[in-house]
Amino acid sequence: DVKVTQSSRYLVKRTGEKVFLECVQDMDHENMFWYRQDPGLGLRLIYFSYDVKMKEKGDIPEGYSVSREKKERFSLILESASTNQTSMYLCASSLAEGPWGGNTIYFGEGSWLTVV
Amino acid sequence: GQQVMQIPQYQHVQEGEDFTTYCNSSTTLSNIQWYKQRPGGHPVFLIQLVKSGEVKKQKRLTFQFGEAKKNSSLHITATQTTDVGTYFCAGDNTDKLIFGTGTRLQVFP
Repeated sequence: DVKVTQSSRYLVKRTGEKVFLECVQDMDHENMFWYRQDPGLGLRLIYFSYDVKMKEKGDIPEGYSVSREKKERFSLILESASTNQTSMYLCASSLAEGPWGGNTIYFGEGSWLTVV
Repeated sequence: GQQVMQIPQYQHVQEGEDFTTYCNSSTTLSNIQWYKQRPGGHPVFLIQLVKSGEVKKQKRLTFQFGEAKKNSSLHITATQTTDVGTYFCAGDNTDKLIFGTGTRLQVFP
C-alpha cells in the first residue's frame, strides 16, 4: 500500500513564526501536492511538484513556499505564519505520465495547524 | 478559472434512505474521480470514471459520468451509518485536478 506520511498531526504556532510541514511518500511517486482544507471551501491546491527540484504554483500559493530536494520528500513552508493560515494541510502523491496522468491521488493523514 | 461545483453541501438522511451528490464542471473533463473522507480522516480514493456516459457500481454506490463529460453523480442506496463522511469529486482536465467543495453526509440511525 502507498504510504504518505506527514510529520506532524497537530501544531500550534505563533503569528510570524516560520513553519515547516514535512511529507514523505514511499512509493516512488513523481507527483507530490500540498492542499489545504477549510470548511465550505473543499480542498484547495497550494503547490505541487512533478519532479525533484520542480515546483508549480497551485490556486492559493500566497504566503507559502515549498521544497523538493529528494523525490520522496515534499516540504511546505510558511515563511511568516498568520492566523488566516490556520487550517488542515494535506500532503498527497501520485504516479504521473507527465504532470497529470489521471492517476489516483493518495493523501496523508493531514496536519492540523493553528496559528495564534 | 475552471470550477467544479458540488451539491448539496450537506445532507442529513435517516439510515436506509438513499443519497445522491452531484458534481458539475464548467469545462469538459478527461476523467473524474471520487473520494471519501471519514470524519477526522483524510480523503481516500473510491473510483475513477473516464468514458462518456460511464456507470460504475461498488456495492451500494453507483457512480455516473455525464454524456458531455461535464457532470457526475454518486448515488448511495439504503445508506448505513458507515457511509458518514464527506464525498469529494475531482475533475481532471489534463491540465490539473480540481476538487469539488464536497458533500458532507450525516446518517441518523
